[in-house]
Amino acid sequence: GQSLEQPSEVTAVEGAIVQINCTYQTSGFYGLSWYQQHDGGAPTFLSYNALDGLEETGRFSSFLSRSDSYGYLLLQELQMKDSASYFCASNSGYSTLTFGKGTMLLVSP
Amino acid sequence: DAGITQSPRYKITETGRQVTLMCHQTWSHSYMFWYRQDLGHGLRLIYYSAAADITDKGEVPDGYVVSRSKTENFPLTLESATRSQTSVYFCASSEDRRSYEQYFGPGTRLTVT
Repeated sequence: GQSLEQPSEVTAVEGAIVQINCTYQTSGFYGLSWYQQHDGGAPTFLSYNALDGLEETGRFSSFLSRSDSYGYLLLQELQMKDSASYFCASNSGYSTLTFGKGTMLLVSP
Repeated sequence: DAGITQSPRYKITETGRQVTLMCHQTWSHSYMFWYRQDLGHGLRLIYYSAAADITDKGEVPDGYVVSRSKTENFPLTLESATRSQTSVYFCASSEDRRSYEQYFGPGTRLTVT
């Protein structure tokens, strides 16, 4: 089976940088995805790491360390609109994802 | 308009009734998924389908039935609804071998009274 752990809530101020961590335990592991979900909305895909290292997409970056079973999502130049829940998800093959329980990010002025 | 749609968006039903949630996608994605989202549990996979007429159980399949006669449609049926099935249900799709990048529908908020 698979399980992923992430903090339930993180707070930060506008313009700051925030890191959301995710640790995983899996019987097989292909990669780590990140999704964003605004309150009442659908999850949307942000990034995917199959290899160790940093992937950058605009203000968002995602990192993976397979040896540590650890990844994180880095959000820079925070904006109020970044207030949302963020989910890490692992895939053990080509078929399905297992999601963490999500981290609620609260950005204050 | 292209994308993934779900209907109804909101549904209230009584315990014991059968209810079907619809999901339609226009991308011709091979894979389709049904999740439920409950406070404190994140997204949990109910069933998924790799192609028409191919379905498989996810983490929480009990009490649910799926079918996929056409690539674009993936209905989810609650055969006899229970209060514990009150939840928000999301349908998603992905291209073959890219399940890490799933596209989600807007969700159906189901209340079982």
